[in-house]
Amino acid sequence: TQLLEQSPQFLSIQEGENLTVYCNSSSVFSSLQWYRQEPGEGPVLLVTVVTGGEVKKLKRLTFQFGDARKDSSLHITAAQPGDTGLYLCAGETGGFKTIFGAGTRLFVKA
Amino acid sequence: SAVISQKPSRDICQRGTSLTIQCQVDSQVTMMFWYRQQPGQSLTLIATANQGSEATYESGFVIDKFPISRPNLTFSTLTVSNMSPEDSSIYLCSALGLASYNEQFFGPGTRLTVL
Repeated sequence: TQLLEQSPQFLSIQEGENLTVYCNSSSVFSSLQWYRQEPGEGPVLLVTVVTGGEVKKLKRLTFQFGDARKDSSLHITAAQPGDTGLYLCAGETGGFKTIFGAGTRLFVKA
Repeated sequence: SAVISQKPSRDICQRGTSLTIQCQVDSQVTMMFWYRQQPGQSLTLIATANQGSEATYESGFVIDKFPISRPNLTFSTLTVSNMSPEDSSIYLCSALGLASYNEQFFGPGTRLTVL
């Protein structure tokens, strides 16, 4: 069974702090997505990483795909209350199948 | 990207009854999926809704409990049959984008409570 381990599960920080969320697996993924979900809404796609070692930036968010395409990280710089939400990583396993990490609940206090 | 709507947004149902959730996409898509999510937790794939053929169910989910229809490329329904309190959850539909990768667009979800 393929697993995608995500950590930490919960994070509560002050506005302005930095944080990193990790996704790890023993499986190789052809692509990996990061989503953010707010209460009462569906997940919204943030980014897709495809190439081993790839780094993508989205304003204060930096996404990295591991060289072996088995792991990924999301780094947020100077977090703001608007960053609060559930962050999900998702790995493409082939045949349109996707496995989701357990999610990281982030709360940024003003 | 695709815009996805779901109806109803929430419902409270009695044990033993059934509820059908509708999912509408604003453009034609090849793949549609149904997920279940406990609040604040990750997503569990129920099935892939196939247009013109029977849905493909994941382990632990069966057609008698979760019948799915996909009459065309923009619409799908999920029925939760003979409900019990254990079925209380958020049900989400999603569609695959046009990119080469598994980028999914999600509906807002249906929050179901079974009494």
